[in-house]
Amino acid sequence: GAGVSQSPRYKVAKRGQDVALRCDPISGHVSLFWYQQALGQGPEFLTYFQNEAQLDKSGLPSDRFFAERPEGSVSTLKIQRTQQEDSAVYLCASSLARVSGRSSYNEQFFGPGTRLTVL
Amino acid sequence: GDSVTQMEGPVTLSEEACLTINCTYTATGYPSLFWYVQYPGEGLQLLLKATKADDKGSNKGFEATYRKETTSFHLEKGSVQVSDSAVYFCALRPEYGNKLVFGAGTILRVKS
Repeated sequence: GAGVSQSPRYKVAKRGQDVALRCDPISGHVSLFWYQQALGQGPEFLTYFQNEAQLDKSGLPSDRFFAERPEGSVSTLKIQRTQQEDSAVYLCASSLARVSGRSSYNEQFFGPGTRLTVL
Repeated sequence: GDSVTQMEGPVTLSEEACLTINCTYTATGYPSLFWYVQYPGEGLQLLLKATKADDKGSNKGFEATYRKETTSFHLEKGSVQVSDSAVYFCALRPEYGNKLVFGAGTILRVKS
């Protein structure tokens, strides 16, 4: 079956440009996560959606970063006025159900990522 | 805050050698613990998990045991193969929370 897909796979932007990164989660998955992975580092949490509700955006590094999931399926991560420090791989993950407490765990399935390079 | 520390790489081994990648964590309560693997050119895949103390996760010959007393979740394999060459990430999910917290990753290179 289809996994999580992301587009574009590669994006080169000039400093100051706006970019939009798309994530198509696995069909029916309620939860959606965005992570940022800098070169040589592990992924770092950016934001989390449960259906269309953005329940946690504590990891967004600045107000230039904005994410949405208006119909509870596809999500877009937008970065305004890109800076060189925004260069990273942006990973999207989805899981089947809402996750709360320690009693339920749902595996997060990751997409291949979008590699953003800001010149 | 919650954090994960794993041994730096790269780790270079000959085929059939034993592997240990150390992972320790800092978190309150009882987080769930994971190992993810990223093969060249591919996305992150869950390798194994453990959700409570003394649980052992296992998959594809890899094992890791959740040790609450030492806050560790070391990854082990008795005999590595060239196809195991990848980047391995240790991660935790807080007891009350959804996001994953990752270590920096360890590159494993297996030579034939």
